[in-house]
Amino acid sequence: GAVVSQHPSWVICKSGTSVKIECRSLDFQATTMFWYRQFPKQSLMLMATSNEGSKATYEQGVEKDKFLINHASLTLSTLTVTSAHPEDSSFYICSVQGLTYEQYFGPGTRLTVT
Amino acid sequence: QKEVEQNSGPLSVPEGAIASLNCTYSDRGSQSFFWYRQYSGKSPELIMSIYSNGDKEDGRFTAQLNKASQYVSLLIRDSQPSDSATYLCAVRAGTGANNLFFGTGTRLTVIP
Repeated sequence: GAVVSQHPSWVICKSGTSVKIECRSLDFQATTMFWYRQFPKQSLMLMATSNEGSKATYEQGVEKDKFLINHASLTLSTLTVTSAHPEDSSFYICSVQGLTYEQYFGPGTRLTVT
Repeated sequence: QKEVEQNSGPLSVPEGAIASLNCTYSDRGSQSFFWYRQYSGKSPELIMSIYSNGDKEDGRFTAQLNKASQYVSLLIRDSQPSDSATYLCAVRAGTGANNLFFGTGTRLTVIP
């Protein structure tokens, strides 16, 4: 399967600042990547689908101006949380779509907003 | 109605037993089915995929798919304490969408 990395693995930021999370597909050219958020003891929540070279498709209820996604190459997608607030504290996970629609997940980024 | 439903558990089995995890889905046209394992504090890891009716075996894991009943299951033979995790069922809908619908997961505990 595809190997996916995320950076940073954890980040603490102050309320009102922006944070960028990188998702890299290390051994696979990923046309499609996904961004999820997971709160403690809850299931994965799909935030958006990221397609290389085009605008991301956001799920209902996810603010596209707050969660900026850029998929500029076949190996890199970024998620920027703008003007972060404590309620944005969560575990953010990206995934890469494989050839038969399976998804390979990155290790996740734990964001804490103080 | 949720697209993918799983019993949240917790499911406890003794070491060496067979753990049986079940999942139902609502979209009869669904094409692809996956099982993921997620350890606490970690991201999901793909362990099985199945695309046609019947059984698919990979080591101690067997995935079973019954499209007529809209049911997919995962059997773990000779369960080990290291199998203790949350198991997520994921389904790709038959509408041409790329994304997967995930169940809420079943928490499995294997008791030594």
